[in-house]
Amino acid sequence: AQKVTQAQTEISVVEKEDVTLDCVYETRDTTYYLFWYKQPPSGELVFLIRRNSFDEQNEISGRYSWNFQKSTSSFNFTITASQVVDSAVYFCALSEAVGRGNKLVFGAGTILRVKS
Amino acid sequence: KAGVTQTPRYLIKTRGQQVTLSCSPISGHRSVSWYQQTPGQGLQFLFEYFSETQRNKGNFPGRFSGRQFSNSRSEMNVSTLELGDSALYLCATRESGELFFGEGSRLTVL
Repeated sequence: AQKVTQAQTEISVVEKEDVTLDCVYETRDTTYYLFWYKQPPSGELVFLIRRNSFDEQNEISGRYSWNFQKSTSSFNFTITASQVVDSAVYFCALSEAVGRGNKLVFGAGTILRVKS
Repeated sequence: KAGVTQTPRYLIKTRGQQVTLSCSPISGHRSVSWYQQTPGQGLQFLFEYFSETQRNKGNFPGRFSGRQFSNSRSEMNVSTLELGDSALYLCATRESGELFFGEGSRLTVL
């Protein structure tokens, strides 16, 4: 069975600090996808990034960066120079390969509070 | 292009009633999936429809059902509502591996 664990329930930082959100996953599939979503108070899940199991290349996009390590089954997400607008709940999710459905298994989420 | 549209955004029902929620996917998207979000259970997959056929189903009782129309719009229905059905119901459509979510329908059962 697939499982996603986000051990950090809540993180509070001061604006401009860097923050890393942890995600550990379990799956028996050899082909799978990992996602990060952001959920602001409005409720909509905002897509941030998708990585497939064959692409371990890490990426930096503006203030966001991701660290995918298959050896430790981790897919961590870092925000540099955090801003108050980054305050939200962040979800890590796992799905089977495209073509086998769109069922996502979500972690419990990490509440990020950025204080000015 | 327009995003995923869910209606109604908010609704209040009483125990024993039934409810129907609607989801209009992004134009051209044929896959629609539904998720329930509660404080206790988090985000859980309900079911997925593709070209009017249910392709996948989560572990929810038969009171939860859905369907998809030929224009890809989808509805989910919950019958005999229970207090525990109070939740944010999210609909999502997929393109090129990215799953796009609507703003959800927030159901309160009294």
